[in-house]
Amino acid sequence: DTAVSQTPKYLVTQMGNDKSIKCEQNLGHDTMYWYKQDSKKFLKIMFSYNNKELIINETVPNRFSPKSPDKAHLNLHINSLELGDSAVYFCASSQRTGGNEQYFGPGTRLTVT
Amino acid sequence: AQSVSQHNHHVILSEAASLELGCNYSYGGTVNLFWYVQYPGQHLQLLLKYFSGDPLVKGIKGFEAEFIKSKFSFNLRKPSVQWSDTAEYFCAVAGTYKYIFGTGTRLKVLA
Repeated sequence: DTAVSQTPKYLVTQMGNDKSIKCEQNLGHDTMYWYKQDSKKFLKIMFSYNNKELIINETVPNRFSPKSPDKAHLNLHINSLELGDSAVYFCASSQRTGGNEQYFGPGTRLTVT
Repeated sequence: AQSVSQHNHHVILSEAASLELGCNYSYGGTVNLFWYVQYPGQHLQLLLKYFSGDPLVKGIKGFEAEFIKSKFSFNLRKPSVQWSDTAEYFCAVAGTYKYIFGTGTRLKVLA
């Protein structure tokens, strides 16, 4: 059983398009996250949700909009894609906010051409 | 400001060599400390964690880390690396609401 799953695994699209990435966790965790990993492997947190409520919103362009329909799902919608959005996006979850271990999904490699 | 520093960006070792990766943090208050590993093409996985108690913690695959509070450090060690340890290693610090990752250390082990 996959603990944290993401779809799609690969996403190739053109500049200006709108795309979504979905994330689901079956661990019963309260908190979910989105991270962006750039080509240098630097991992940067984008958003964090706890029980469907946004708790962390780092400096991310408002073209990125997370949505949590329930605590097991955290989707990421990106409008007007730009070349600089090309990266690997990881979803993660933890039991609750704070200093808990995070469980990561397999990542979605987004390529904007 | 809260931050995590990993001093070694790239490390190349031969098999059986000993490994030590540095991690220093700046974070007010009580923290939990982690090392994660990312094998090529894979997602991050927990290697080990420190919450409290014995400052020397043991993780999977023969890794260990030592928390030195006075130095704000949590260095990762392994006495004898294997080719399969080739990966990216991330130190992370977590407080009440914030989770901060270091910039990562790319380890390449030569067979």
